Amino acid sequence: GENVEQHPSTLSVQEGDSAVIKCTYSDSASNYFPWYKQELGKRPQLIIDIRSNVGEKKDQRIAVTLNKTAKHFSLHITETQPEDSAVYFCAATGTASKLTFGTGTRLQVTL
Amino acid sequence: KAGVTQTPRYLIKTRGQQVTLSCSPISGHRSVSWYQQTPGQGLQFLFEYFSETQRNKGNFPGRFSGRQFSNSRSEMNVSTLELGDSALYLCASSFQGVNEQYFGPGTRLTVT
Repeated sequence: GENVEQHPSTLSVQEGDSAVIKCTYSDSASNYFPWYKQELGKRPQLIIDIRSNVGEKKDQRIAVTLNKTAKHFSLHITETQPEDSAVYFCAATGTASKLTFGTGTRLQVTL
Repeated sequence: KAGVTQTPRYLIKTRGQQVTLSCSPISGHRSVSWYQQTPGQGLQFLFEYFSETQRNKGNFPGRFSGRQFSNSRSEMNVSTLELGDSALYLCASSFQGVNEQYFGPGTRLTVT
């Protein structure tokens, strides 16, 4: 089945800096890659997603890139703010059409 | 539109008991997926229902089961509870399939 690895597990950046979270997947048939943000005690929230026919997608300060050949995708957050502090999860669909999640990255934005 | 809702929000059960959790999807969404979230294992897929049929199943024992009703509401049941079943159980709904899934607030299950 699909296996998704996510790095780093924790990331601390200063306010205004950029943050990058990377994920790799194993199933070359995966075609959908969402990113979720989960604040403490809250539900995971879909923040951006990308499909396999697209290499990059941007939405204001967040962007996701996908490299199908290398089977990795990344989340980029620019001009980080304290409210960006949360746990971020990447996910991928495999041939079974179910989401497999990475283990999460705890992002801390310090003032 | 109202978001995904789950009831109850908190549950405390003892080992050996069984529990039923409920999920109401976003109006118009026909797919409901269930996930178990624990600090050690992260978010793990349990199963997905679409139009009252289980389409996908994760690697959980048969003690974990679910169903979906004609109005797309879904329930999951865990029988013979074990201490290791303590977790946050999340459901997510989508129009169809796994694309653009939206999560409910979860049910926090504690097994003592």
